[in-house]
Amino acid sequence: TQLLEQSPQFLSIQEGENLTVYCNSSSVFSSLQWYRQEPGEGPVLLVTVVTGGEVKKLKRLTFQFGDARKDSSLHITAAQPGDTGLYLCAGATGGYNKLIFGAGTRLAVHP
Amino acid sequence: DAGITQSPRHKVTETGTPVTLRCHQTENHRYMYWYRQDPGHGLRLIHYSYGVKDTDKGEVSDGYSVSRSKTEDFLLTLESATSSQTSVYFCAISAWTGTSYEQYFGPGTRLTVT
Repeated sequence: TQLLEQSPQFLSIQEGENLTVYCNSSSVFSSLQWYRQEPGEGPVLLVTVVTGGEVKKLKRLTFQFGDARKDSSLHITAAQPGDTGLYLCAGATGGYNKLIFGAGTRLAVHP
Repeated sequence: DAGITQSPRHKVTETGTPVTLRCHQTENHRYMYWYRQDPGHGLRLIHYSYGVKDTDKGEVSDGYSVSRSKTEDFLLTLESATSSQTSVYFCAISAWTGTSYEQYFGPGTRLTVT
């Protein structure tokens, strides 16, 4: 069974702080996707990383794919209350772009 | 939003009754998926489809069946609902970007089995 371990499970921080979320696996993924989910809604795609060692930036969010394509991180600089939500990583494996999801990181940013 | 709708959005049903959830897409995507989301588990794949009448099992397929008779519709059926199937169900499609596939999700169906 393939697993994607995501940590931490919960994060409660003050506005302006930095944070990093990690996803780790023993499996190699063809790509890795990060999603953000609000209560009562479906996950919304933030970014897809494909190449080992790839770094992508989305405003204050920086995503990195490990060299071996087994792990990834999401770093948020100067977090804002609007960043509050559930962050999910998902690795693409096997055929048909099936995704394996991490359990999620619930982030709360307090003003 | 990839043109994905799910119906119903909320449903309460009794143990032992059959339930069908519908996913509809408007952009002619070949690949479609059904996931369930439970606290502490992220999303888990139930079934997926790679074309009309082409489906296969995912990680947690027991107690579920699917059908896809048209490209735009992917149906998930719980033949005899159980309390363990109380969950939020998400449909997704895969779209090719030129360098990779990306999955986009519908708004979800909250199912409660009493």
